[in-house]
Amino acid sequence: NAGVTQTPKFRVLKTGQSMTLLCAQDMNHEYMYWYRQDPGMGLRLIHYSVGEGTTAKGEVPDGYNVSRLKKQNFLLGLESAAPSQTSVYFCASRPRTGGRGYQETQYFGPGTRLLVL
Amino acid sequence: DAKTTQPTSMDCAEGRAANLPCNHSTISGNEYVYWYRQIHSQGPQYIIHGLKNNETNEMASLIITEDRKSSTLILPHATLRDTAVYYCIVSAGGTSYGKLTFGQGTILTVHP
Repeated sequence: NAGVTQTPKFRVLKTGQSMTLLCAQDMNHEYMYWYRQDPGMGLRLIHYSVGEGTTAKGEVPDGYNVSRLKKQNFLLGLESAAPSQTSVYFCASRPRTGGRGYQETQYFGPGTRLLVL
Repeated sequence: DAKTTQPTSMDCAEGRAANLPCNHSTISGNEYVYWYRQIHSQGPQYIIHGLKNNETNEMASLIITEDRKSSTLILPHATLRDTAVYYCIVSAGGTSYGKLTFGQGTILTVHP
């Protein structure tokens, strides 16, 4: 049971290039999330998904797109990378239900460090 | 969701108990208190959560005051590996997608 995995671990892009970050979970979780974390700041939600085939915007969605074609995978795309997107990206997942209070028990991946030059 | 206030940093000696406070004076009746931590360069890790009763698991204990306006996370025997940023989060849960709002957290440094 690998939990939540992210690919790649680190990437350097030039301004204007595109790339896709992959998040995979093997816990059969319904909900998946993409966050970004900048130095000295907490995590901010980019996009999320409540199930296969569904996606929705979080707090900071501009410049990103997502897809959830398979339940276990959640992809984050940058169509035209900008230096402001230099950050550490975390994926998380959680089950749909788990009793009261367990809704916010999210499981996080190890992160992807992205540098945009 | 209610806002939380935590000290910016704390120190603790290895083997001693680490007591991390959190103030959430505007907490609503249906909001839970969650604690996560983030060890350097890793993803956040769930520790514990509670509503109004004290809770304990294999990682930590959570003490919530009777008026629920503050809480304390207790790591009973801190080790060097417990050095991390600890986040106290208050959330009602049950939203359509779930929501975690991470603040600045408390940087806990465990010394030998």
